[in-house]
Amino acid sequence: GNSVTQMEGPVTLSEEAFLTINCTYTATGYPSLFWYVQYPGEGLQLLLKATKADDKGSNKGFEATYRKETTSFHLEKGSVQVSDSAVYFCALGFSTNTGNQFYFGTGTSLTVIP
Amino acid sequence: DAGVIQSPRHEVTEMGQEVTLRCKPISGHDYLFWYRQTMMRGLELLIYFNNNVPIDDSGMPEDRFSAKMPNASFSTLKIQPSEPRDSAVYFCASSLWTSGGYNEQFFGPGTRLTVL
Repeated sequence: GNSVTQMEGPVTLSEEAFLTINCTYTATGYPSLFWYVQYPGEGLQLLLKATKADDKGSNKGFEATYRKETTSFHLEKGSVQVSDSAVYFCALGFSTNTGNQFYFGTGTSLTVIP
Repeated sequence: DAGVIQSPRHEVTEMGQEVTLRCKPISGHDYLFWYRQTMMRGLELLIYFNNNVPIDDSGMPEDRFSAKMPNASFSTLKIQPSEPRDSAVYFCASSLWTSGGYNEQFFGPGTRLTVL
C-alpha cells in the first residue's frame, strides 16, 4: 500500500544547528511529495514540494530532494532559528482513476532553543 | 483569496449535544477534505469530496459523524451525539486537481472542539 514514514520526534536543537528530518515513502506509481509545517495553534501550511524524481523543493532555507532510488524526501536546513519551532509533516499525493489520494506522515515536532 | 475558512474556531459543548463544524473552501477548488488531529492519533483523514460528491468516508469513526457538501462553497461536519473522545482539532482543507499532477492541499485554521 501507500504510506509515508517519517522520523519520530521530538527533536530539540540549538539555534544555528543543522536540521535533518527523515522521510521515506512507499507508493505505487509516481507521487508528488510535500513537506508541511504546523506552527502552534495553526493549521498546516505547505513548506515545499517536489513533483518528480530528482526535483528539489526549497523554501525559507529548507530543502528536500525527491530521491526515487531510495524512496526518500528528507527535509534539511543548514541553520535553524527559534522561529522554526513547529511540527513538520511529510506527505505524498497522486492521482488515480478513482481520484486523488493523499497520505501524511505522523509529524515530527521540532523545538529550537536559543 | 481569503483561504479556507472554518467556523467556529473554538467549540465547547456537553456530551450528547449535536455539534456542527463549517468549512468554506478556496473558490474554484474541486477537492475538500476533513481531518481530525489529536495528540494520541495524530492527523487522520475523515472524509473527502470531489465536486461536492463524497469519495472516501472510510475514515469517519462511526455513525455519529456525518459530512455534507451541498454546494461548491460550503461543507459541514456534524457529530450527533458528541462524546468526550471526540475532543480534537478538526481541519478542513481544499485543493485543485490539474493535469500537471497532484497539487497541494490548503488547510483552514481548524476548529478546536472540546466535549465535556
